[in-house]
Amino acid sequence: AQSVTQLDSQVPVFEEAPVELRCNYSSSVSVYLFWYVQYPNQGLQLLLKYLSGSTLVKGINGFEAEFNKSQTSFHLRKPSVHISDTAEYFCAVSEAGGYNKLIFGAGTRLAVHP
Amino acid sequence: DAGITQSPRHKVTETGTPVTLRCHQTENHRYMYWYRQDPGHGLRLIHYSYGVKDTDKGEVSDGYSVSRSKTEDFLLTLESATSSQTSVYFCAISDPGTGRRETQYFGPGTRLLVL
Repeated sequence: AQSVTQLDSQVPVFEEAPVELRCNYSSSVSVYLFWYVQYPNQGLQLLLKYLSGSTLVKGINGFEAEFNKSQTSFHLRKPSVHISDTAEYFCAVSEAGGYNKLIFGAGTRLAVHP
Repeated sequence: DAGITQSPRHKVTETGTPVTLRCHQTENHRYMYWYRQDPGHGLRLIHYSYGVKDTDKGEVSDGYSVSRSKTEDFLLTLESATSSQTSVYFCAISDPGTGRRETQYFGPGTRLLVL
């Protein structure tokens, strides 16, 4: 079985500052890793995913994440945030090659202040 | 929203009544999923389907049943609603016939309040 821990429930940051949202996972099998974003009263939108290959993954809206197998982490980063990045961010994991049943973390609420 | 609709979008019901939520897709994706979202828990998988009439349980399936009689529709039924089933319910789809099911696309959600 897999599990996901998002280490920060809330992250406040000023506009144009860098941000890192932390995600750790546990699994006994190979996994796929995902970051989703949820804007208020909306569904989830895929930001980026790691399936295999390069451990640095680039996604939409200037976000990137790095897969670190030894530390079982998949932290999300953005060098300069905008007010519009205010949202909730979810890290998720699924078993590679399985039915893609996603296991989600509890979420991190990113609040960008002017 | 990848051609996914959910209905109703909002529902208030009473304890003990049956409730059915519908997920409809126009993308011909093979896999469909139902999740519930609760504060502090993220999203948790209720049931999923890997083809017409092929379904299986997720991690929080107690009190829920599903049916998929055609590719485009996946129904979630709360057989006798309880207050603990007050939540936001999301449908997701994956695998557009390519065998690549890693990426899930989510619908807009249904807010359910059980009084």
